[in-house]
Amino acid sequence: AQRVTQPEKLLSVFKGAPVELKCNYSYSGSPELFWYVQYSRQRLQLLLRHISRESIKGFTADLNKGETSFHLKKPFAQEEDSAMYYCALNTNAGKSTFGDGTTLTVKP
Amino acid sequence: GAGVSQSPSNKVTEKGKDVELRCDPISGHTALYWYRQSLGQGLEFLIYFQGNSAPDKSGLPSDRFSAERTGGSVSTLTIQRTQQEDSAVYLCASTPTGAANYGYTFGSGTRLTVV
Repeated sequence: AQRVTQPEKLLSVFKGAPVELKCNYSYSGSPELFWYVQYSRQRLQLLLRHISRESIKGFTADLNKGETSFHLKKPFAQEEDSAMYYCALNTNAGKSTFGDGTTLTVKP
Repeated sequence: GAGVSQSPSNKVTEKGKDVELRCDPISGHTALYWYRQSLGQGLEFLIYFQGNSAPDKSGLPSDRFSAERTGGSVSTLTIQRTQQEDSAVYLCASTPTGAANYGYTFGSGTRLTVV
C-alpha cells in the first residue's frame, strides 16, 4: 500500500531564508509525485509535478528514489509563500494518496 | 465550465439528516474524485469515477456514504443519517483522464457541519 509522510506539521522561516518542506513516500512501483498548495481562503491547487521538472514560484522538487523522498525547496522564501502544502503520490490506480500537510509561515 | 464547481459551499445539518453534495467537473474531464479534508489531517480518499468504468468506492467510510455520476459529468455525494464525525470539508477534483501523471483540479469544497 502507498503512504505519504510529511514529518513537519508546522514550519516557520524568516523572509529571505531557504525553506525545505519534507515529503517521504512508500510505494513499490514507479510513483508520480505532486505538491499542492492551499493559500488562505483559496482552493487547493496544484503547485508542481515531478514529471515536468519545472520550477513554479521559485519552488523546485526532486524525486529521490533511493531515499523515497520528494522534498519541496525554495532558496529565498517570501511572505506570500505562507500556506498549507500537501505532498501527494499517484499510482496507476488513478487516485492520489496525500500527506497530512505542512503549514508554512514566512515571517517578515 | 471553467473550473470545478461545488455546491453548496457550506451546509449545516442536524444529526440524523441526509445531505447531498454536488460537484460539476471541468467539461471534458473524464475522471472525478471525492476527498474529505478534516481539521489538522490530510485528504482522505472517498471515491473515484473514470469514464464508464465501475467507480472505485474503496474509500467510502461506511454504507451511509454513496455517490453517483450521471452522464459522465455531474456527481452527487450523499451522506445518509449524518453523524457529527462526518463534519469536514468535502472536496471534489477532476482530471482529463485517469492517467497517473495528471494533477488534480480541485473545487472549492463543501464545508459540512453536523450539529
